[in-house]
Amino acid sequence: DAEITQSPRHKITETGRQVTLACHQTWNHNNMFWYRQDLGHGLRLIHYSYGVQDTNKGEVSDGYSVSRSNTEDLPLTLESAASSQTSVYFCASSGFFDQSGRSSYNEQFFGPGTRLTVL
Amino acid sequence: GQNIDQPTEMTATEGAIVQINCTYQTSGFNGLFWYQQHAGEAPTFLSYNVLDGLEEKGRFSSFLSRSKGYSYLLLKELQMKDSASYLCAVRKSNSGYALNFGKGTSLLVTP
Repeated sequence: DAEITQSPRHKITETGRQVTLACHQTWNHNNMFWYRQDLGHGLRLIHYSYGVQDTNKGEVSDGYSVSRSNTEDLPLTLESAASSQTSVYFCASSGFFDQSGRSSYNEQFFGPGTRLTVL
Repeated sequence: GQNIDQPTEMTATEGAIVQINCTYQTSGFNGLFWYQQHAGEAPTFLSYNVLDGLEEKGRFSSFLSRSKGYSYLLLKELQMKDSASYLCAVRKSNSGYALNFGKGTSLLVTP
């Protein structure tokens, strides 16, 4: 079955270190998104991509970067981790399902999340 | 920018009906979405409205009034498993498929 996965599921790092969170989807979706979720703020958009080599900044992009070298993956990099980046990170994707041809651009499918702690 | 407001918490009784409201202010509206999120899990899609009116899907219905910047999610025949957070999200016409989420409403269903 097609799916969207994130790794690692839990990560503890130190301030100043570079961290990369992986997101992989097997739906062949064009659209991929990264959100962070914090108490009192809800889900906030960090970066998103509508295809290979395409990246766009979201609401809270400072301190984060993404690259899209293939359809399946959108890794999120924290250049120099800060304690304010302690959060739960969710990756999501949307696009056509090859199997059925059904258009699902209106539905984002979320990965299981990565809990990141920056000490 | 845009504001999306929804109540922080709600409590309802098993078997009852509950309505979760969402108001928004945005330029270039292009759709309103509802997601469900159980504690410790990922959000899952519930509904999508882009035109005024009611969309019904089983026990869940979603309503939209674009002129009022207002939507609600209606949950009927509440079950204990409906205890979760319900997230309202808006899509803008100039942001492609990206969503802006409200802070969510935590619903507790009691016996």
